[in-house]
Amino acid sequence: AQTVTQSQPEMSVQEAETVTLSCTYDTSESDYYLFWYKQPPSRQMILVIRQEAYKQQNATENRFSVNFQKAAKSFSLKISDSQLGDAAMYFCAYRSGDSGTYKYIFGTGTRLKVLA
Amino acid sequence: DVKVTQSSRYLVKRTGEKVFLECVQDMDHENMFWYRQDPGLGLRLIYFSYDVKMKEKGDIPEGYSVSREKKERFSLILESASTNQTSMYLCASSSYYETQYFGPGTRLLVL
Repeated sequence: AQTVTQSQPEMSVQEAETVTLSCTYDTSESDYYLFWYKQPPSRQMILVIRQEAYKQQNATENRFSVNFQKAAKSFSLKISDSQLGDAAMYFCAYRSGDSGTYKYIFGTGTRLKVLA
Repeated sequence: DVKVTQSSRYLVKRTGEKVFLECVQDMDHENMFWYRQDPGLGLRLIYFSYDVKMKEKGDIPEGYSVSREKKERFSLILESASTNQTSMYLCASSSYYETQYFGPGTRLLVL
């Protein structure tokens, strides 16, 4: 069975600085998708970034980028130029590429605090 | 923009009550999901549905049931609420291979 591990329950970053959130996963599959979701306090969970396992290039969305290390089964999220609005819970998630599978597997989350 | 709405943001119920949580999506998505979110445990899948009237158990289905009579609507039912079902409930929807979109969540307190 696949698992997703976020080993940092909480992290802090100074405004305008860079922070990296860690995520490791375990799977025997070669085709899968990885996601980072953001859940601001009392607000809806939204997608930050998505990575297809078959793509070697790391995904980037503005100030958010990932470091996808397939062999190491690592999928970290880097937030550059941190802003107060980045404060949230961040969840790493895995989804199999198997066409018969719909399940997402989520990590336990990392709470990011942004210090002014 | 995809919209996923949930019937209540906050709900207080008594032990033994039957509780209905409703989720509606407006993007014609095939897949809909119910999760439970608890501190330190992340999101755990209760049930999901990949088509009308189709459902599959997730990781923690005990004490819950679901109904999907229309494509846009997915209901979670707590047949007899218990205090250990106090939690945040999140609904999500997605098309076949696309990203999940989440609703705002329902924070349920069972007294």
